[in-house]
Amino acid sequence: DTGVSQNPRHKITKRGQNVTFRCDPISEHNRLYWYRQTLGQGPEFLTYFQNEAQLEKSRLLSDRFSAERPKGSFSTLEIQRTEQGDSAMYLCASRPGTGKGASYEQYFGPGTRLTVT
Amino acid sequence: AQKVTQAQTEISVVEKEDVTLDCVYETRDTTYYLFWYKQPPSGELVFLIRRNSFDEQNEISGRYSWNFQKSTSSFNFTITASQVVDSAVYFCALSERVVAGGTSYGKLTFGQGTILTVHP
Repeated sequence: DTGVSQNPRHKITKRGQNVTFRCDPISEHNRLYWYRQTLGQGPEFLTYFQNEAQLEKSRLLSDRFSAERPKGSFSTLEIQRTEQGDSAMYLCASRPGTGKGASYEQYFGPGTRLTVT
Repeated sequence: AQKVTQAQTEISVVEKEDVTLDCVYETRDTTYYLFWYKQPPSGELVFLIRRNSFDEQNEISGRYSWNFQKSTSSFNFTITASQVVDSAVYFCALSERVVAGGTSYGKLTFGQGTILTVHP
């Protein structure tokens, strides 16, 4: 039983560059979340997918951020024209949907640590 | 808006001591879920427990126990006979039921975390 995986684990980029992160959820999980965690803080919600549909985006997600989940499987989070304030850990989580086997707890990946220089 | 407060920023104990991590929450929802997650130095958040708002029974799992008191909006976590491997950041989280796109889903609101250091 593989958990949530994220790639890359670490990314260092220069200000102004674009970066893309990937999340592979647990295979039977149709719900996928992205969170951002800055140093000394708890994770903050960014966006939510149910299958391939992006149903909610936080106001934290500026127009430089875009997320996709084609075919309802893996998801990507892209940040364009990165800024130093984007430096953070980006966490992906997944959970099963409603019905038999549904659970409310979210299972997190190891995160991608972004450093913008 | 939902809010989770973990007043203890850092706690330091010696191995075998008992330690309690406090969590207080605010919500207007009548149905909600509370969680504790552990974040070891590797960074991955590990799910520990879920409690729904209708179930105020305390729970014990090995050296871990949880005390949910709806009257005081608290969901505290106790580690008995702490061990060095318990050293981590612990987060309390509240699941808010959000309706979007004709469906409802749970969005987690986390506290700021408590850094627990257990010394040998």
